[in-house]
Amino acid sequence: DADVTQTPRNRITKTGKRIMLECSQTKGHDRMYWYRQDPGLGLRLIYYSFDVKDINKGEISDGYSVSRQAQAKFSLSLESAIPNQTALYFCATSERRPNTGELFFGEGSRLTVL
Amino acid sequence: RKEVEQDPGPFNVPEGATVAFNCTYSNSASQSFFWYRQDCRKEPKLLMSVYSSGNEDGRFTAQLNRASQYISLLIRDSKLSDSATYLCVVNQYGGATNKLIFGTGTLLAVQP
Repeated sequence: DADVTQTPRNRITKTGKRIMLECSQTKGHDRMYWYRQDPGLGLRLIYYSFDVKDINKGEISDGYSVSRQAQAKFSLSLESAIPNQTALYFCATSERRPNTGELFFGEGSRLTVL
Repeated sequence: RKEVEQDPGPFNVPEGATVAFNCTYSNSASQSFFWYRQDCRKEPKLLMSVYSSGNEDGRFTAQLNRASQYISLLIRDSKLSDSATYLCVVNQYGGATNKLIFGTGTLLAVQP
């Protein structure tokens, strides 16, 4: 089983719908992240959390919200999906100490907004 | 100017070839550097860190040139299984957070 699990893996939805992407991890890491990946733009950070009580915006947080329900769970919500939020979304974790720069990614959630 | 820039490729090389990728970064305060590998439709995975003195892991060699602000990845004796996108990643330290900046990736296709 994967250490970082994302659900759903694929989702097609319509403009205006609320969507939640869920992430759970068994690595015991404190730090969790949500990224989106678009062709030609690379991975961009949406939100990150260093522990259950800590939530921080990344570079492209507009239109998104997150919830850190427990150390192992970090969910991403699109309150009202729009077509330019069509992308591949990755959840990731990392160790608090030391910071080696290694992120452990989930397998990705491909979202299509029509 | 992008913070981390890579040639998107594709680099089409025959098996056994040696291939090199470069990556430039714009922030001279960047302190840590990495290469990640991403297979088609898969998640990125850390390939190797890049140390100031250069480092090698089997067929892979990573080098850092701080003065010119670029890092490189050399792959010797390319295998079909090396076909993937290689992401250059730069870690910037600022305040209470470390920020990882990802390049857009270089696509390598190793041909039989």
